Amino acid sequence: GAGVSQTPSNKVTEKGKYVELRCDPISGHTALYWYRQSLGQGPEFLIYFQGTGAADDSGLPNDRFFAVRPEGSVSTLKIQRTERGDSAVYLCASSLRHGLSGTANYGYTFGSGTRLTVV
Amino acid sequence: KQEVTQIPAALSVPEGENLVLNCSFTDSAIYNLQWFRQDPGKGLTSLLLIQSSQREQTSGRLNASLDKSSGRSTLYIAASQPGDSATYLCAVTTDSWGKLQFGAGTQVVVTP
Repeated sequence: GAGVSQTPSNKVTEKGKYVELRCDPISGHTALYWYRQSLGQGPEFLIYFQGTGAADDSGLPNDRFFAVRPEGSVSTLKIQRTERGDSAVYLCASSLRHGLSGTANYGYTFGSGTRLTVV
Repeated sequence: KQEVTQIPAALSVPEGENLVLNCSFTDSAIYNLQWFRQDPGKGLTSLLLIQSSQREQTSGRLNASLDKSSGRSTLYIAASQPGDSATYLCAVTTDSWGKLQFGAGTQVVVTP
């Protein structure tokens, strides 16, 4: 597609429920990132995929959060036993990595995000 | 631990004035610094990327400077327009694969 697509755009769920958030990156982009943005704050890193593997998941807040990218394209962020504190906008970005560190063009394309509200 | 701070948190100017947005970071070991624009309910749009070896980047009315040694970047927007109203975020890249660390943003309102 022309851009990064995230679905749903809005999700309201009850505390304790399970949710899945989907990210469809730009075709051919091998790098995919998930960020979480709380009101009035900048986005915070959650997890990074290079291809199918999670190269860095150090930003996932706890084991209720999990993400997959089984075919190296679409990614799903999964949240179990949701809590009110999980309410935020979840942003996905993809990038076509090329070059070496320090010289690569880290051109990111962000999706519009999924606004998750846990009630 | 890298910390990114943006001052001011909010800014309101009349149309035509120049905008000056500040970003500071605590660890100078960065690969690059980027400025993004965020409109309400939308994702982030990359405005300018400055590599660690560069001092500035320009695009149209936008100019961003980088002083890595002092941990500062400034985004200048010349002759502001109401369409420039948005939140502006700066972010540094601290890993070779592009992990971003963001500031909290500066919310800009340009009044006609």
